[in-house]
Amino acid sequence: QSVLTQSPSVSAAPGQKVTISCSGSSSNIGNNYVSWYQQLPGTAPKLLIYENNKRPSGIPDRFSGSKSGTSATLGITGLQTGDEADYYCGTWDSSLTTGVFGGGTKLTVL
Amino acid sequence: EVLLVQSGAEVKKPGESLKISCKTSGYRFTTSWIGWVRQTPGKGLEWMGIIYPGDSDTTYSPSFQGQVTISADKSISTAYLQWSTLKASDTAMYYCAKHRGRDLDYWGQGTLVTVSS
Repeated sequence: QSVLTQSPSVSAAPGQKVTISCSGSSSNIGNNYVSWYQQLPGTAPKLLIYENNKRPSGIPDRFSGSKSGTSATLGITGLQTGDEADYYCGTWDSSLTTGVFGGGTKLTVL
Repeated sequence: EVLLVQSGAEVKKPGESLKISCKTSGYRFTTSWIGWVRQTPGKGLEWMGIIYPGDSDTTYSPSFQGQVTISADKSISTAYLQWSTLKASDTAMYYCAKHRGRDLDYWGQGTLVTVSS
């Protein structure tokens, strides 16, 4: 099991909005920045959101991130079929002294 | 352009040794931490450890401490992940990734390691 908890899957129709949640504890999400990664089929993960809510250059503003307490959320609006991917949250765990990831959420755009 | 290019897929037998590489370009290799991440179908992404090429300072996840060795060669801007004795359970995809703070902002394409008798 992963240190961070994500729902295994989520689905929505094109054009709709979806949120993906990530739950942790005070030793990780509660006291560290959260990042989100998108992994398209057959490719390496790509940084989507860093420091809870910032987007790297080139990432559209359809993607957003937020954090509250020991949970974080990734939001995607205006869903496109090209958004079908696995999405992972990640952060640092101060107790384990290691980076940690969620188990990933598979997004299906119906 | 920042690039991380990993060595090719490997097929090894249990007990054999292996060293895979991650050649970087497009940024100052010695001033950014670079790490390794394991991906398996059953366990998802796992952070293995990181190295600061400037002084070879290395930190390992407790789960991987003693199981692998991370190293770097500043002269060729390349990081390495090595095993002295492979096990079947080491079968996985391995990614190198450049750190920006504690985020992983650029990733290699991955190296598939298969360990089977």
